[in-house]
Amino acid sequence: DAGVTQSPTHLIKTRGQQVTLRCSPKSGHDTVSWYQQALGQGPQFIFQYYEEEERQRGNFPDRFSGHQFPNYSSELNVNALLLGDSALYLCASSSEGLSFTDTQYFGPGTRLTVL
Amino acid sequence: AQTVTQSQPEMSVQEAETVTLSCTYDTSENNYYLFWYKQPPSRQMILVIRQEAYKQQNATENRFSVNFQKAAKSFSLKISDSQLGDTAMYFCAFSSMNSGGYQKVTFGTGTKLQVIP
Repeated sequence: DAGVTQSPTHLIKTRGQQVTLRCSPKSGHDTVSWYQQALGQGPQFIFQYYEEEERQRGNFPDRFSGHQFPNYSSELNVNALLLGDSALYLCASSSEGLSFTDTQYFGPGTRLTVL
Repeated sequence: AQTVTQSQPEMSVQEAETVTLSCTYDTSENNYYLFWYKQPPSRQMILVIRQEAYKQQNATENRFSVNFQKAAKSFSLKISDSQLGDTAMYFCAFSSMNSGGYQKVTFGTGTKLQVIP
């Protein structure tokens, strides 16, 4: 059973550039959530995708956008990168996300460094 | 809004000993779920244990158990017979429904646990 996968593992970008991160959910899952984890901090919710639409969003600017494909995989795009965007970006998948009892399964993350 | 507080940024424990990680949360809701996740140095977040708020019985998974005190809004994790592989960041997480009817998960800031040989 394939777990959640993310690519790439590491990325180095410069300020002002744009970046795209990718996630494939666990087999059988259709809901993808993205989190930003700054060094030494807990994950902060960015947004969630279900049925190819953004269903809910955390307190992140519009520079952060995403997409979900028919096969449930997802992309996170960040435009006009800032130094403060340097973090570990985690993707989590779940089934529908319509119950507080759902367990989210996490990928290994993408480490983004902005210089 | 829900908040999750982990007041112990770092802890250490001798191998084979028992350690307890604390977590408190603030909510006005009655139905929710609580989770403990482990994030080893290799980064992949792994579910350790979960607790239903409407169940009084504390959850147990092998060497991991919780002490859930709903009135006190406390959800501590006890690791018995600590092993070197338990070295990791541990995150407490609170799950409820938001106003749109979707699951919302809030994480604490984590506790870094070091198991000493």
